[in-house]
Amino acid sequence: KAGVTQTPRYLIKTRGQQVTLSCSPISGHRSVSWYQQTPGQGLQFLFEYFSETQRNKGNFPGRFSGRQFSNSRSEMNVSTLELGDSALYLCASSLDGGYTFGSGTRLTVV
Amino acid sequence: GQNIDQPTEMTATEGAIVQINCTYQTSGFNGLFWYQQHAGEAPTFLSYNVLDGLEEKGRFSSFLSRSKGYSYLLLKELQMKDSASYLCAVRDFTGGGNKLTFGTGTQLKVEL
Repeated sequence: KAGVTQTPRYLIKTRGQQVTLSCSPISGHRSVSWYQQTPGQGLQFLFEYFSETQRNKGNFPGRFSGRQFSNSRSEMNVSTLELGDSALYLCASSLDGGYTFGSGTRLTVV
Repeated sequence: GQNIDQPTEMTATEGAIVQINCTYQTSGFNGLFWYQQHAGEAPTFLSYNVLDGLEEKGRFSSFLSRSKGYSYLLLKELQMKDSASYLCAVRDFTGGGNKLTFGTGTQLKVEL
């Protein structure tokens, strides 16, 4: 079966711009969570969605937002990009508690 | 809050056994995961413990003691391809949903 698909794989944006990342979970998985990975901070939880509802949110500023659609696909948006937002953004889909990660989107802010 | 500690780096010899420790402090504990991550790739699932004891899966085993807030990942018959970062992650059920809190990872280098 298909895994977790994240698009795009790579992205370069300028400070102040906004960006939208997409995640398509494994078919049948209704939970999608997002993580930011940086060399200094490691993997940090952004938010979790289940059946189109945000169930949990990490300690990130309001510039970071997300949503989930009725087909379980999820998007996350970062507005007013800062240099420190450069990171690998990973999404994970879950069914019954196990987590499968996508390959991530590598965002570089210049 | 949550706090997860694991060693930053470890080096071991091909064919040997290595144990990577993880200690945690958390509320709402709902399971502990180990993931392997090669540079530039996604984390891949290795093991999951929610009850105390040892879970064995081929060359990999993981142990959990909830009362001590302690887990370890044991890798046997090390191969060069096992050189990677190993991430300990605790699942918390808080705020109405689950989230994984990760340690900073242990970079394992396997040498000849």
